[in-house]
Amino acid sequence: EVQLLESGGGLVQPGGSLRLSCAASGFTFSNYAMSWVRQAPGKGLQWVSSISAGADSTYFADSVKGRFTISRDSSRNTLYLQTNSLRVEDTAVYYCSKSRDTNGWSLPDSWGQGTLVTVSS
Amino acid sequence: QSVLTQPPSASGTPGQRVTVSCSGSSSNIGNNVVNWYQHLPGTAPRLLIYSNNQRPSGVPDRFSVSKSGTSASLAISGLQSEDEADYYCAAWDDSLHGVVFGGGTKLTVL
Repeated sequence: EVQLLESGGGLVQPGGSLRLSCAASGFTFSNYAMSWVRQAPGKGLQWVSSISAGADSTYFADSVKGRFTISRDSSRNTLYLQTNSLRVEDTAVYYCSKSRDTNGWSLPDSWGQGTLVTVSS
Repeated sequence: QSVLTQPPSASGTPGQRVTVSCSGSSSNIGNNVVNWYQHLPGTAPRLLIYSNNQRPSGVPDRFSVSKSGTSASLAISGLQSEDEADYYCAAWDDSLHGVVFGGGTKLTVL
């Protein structure tokens, strides 16, 4: 069974940083692209970033480009999202998701429970 | 403003058939596969349909989709109270180089 467990969320001031982690199990992590998707309070799902299985391709939403970095460590079966220069509008539940194949452009098929990031002074 | 357009709400009574539309463009739905997700607040989203019309194991065949040109539609037949949730369509967008979601449709079972 696919399991994705996010951590690293919390309260941070505007301009601050957080590193989100997603521990994956139940599948061969190195064989699948991964993504982060967020949901702001009262809003819908918004894609944030994706990384290919081999980490050779990464993609970012325009709203986070230049501020967020996605990476993965296959030795630890862990996906990361480094979030810098955080803004109030980045406040959201951040979901880790597994894609159906290796390509960074493939869509999510399994999701974690999410971790809450609150950006506020 | 979402790239994919969905109606904000839909409703039906138990046993009815309800449809949720998803409208996009040639750079997303028109040229790529569409997935559909079911989401209950506070829980992990659930994949309902992938690659346009494939159902993961465990998803009942009450859920079906159709796709034509730059639009797609999710149909739920034999509506049940447990179907009350938010529904999202998603696709890769070739112009934006990213995944785009619909704004979500809140389904109410009356």
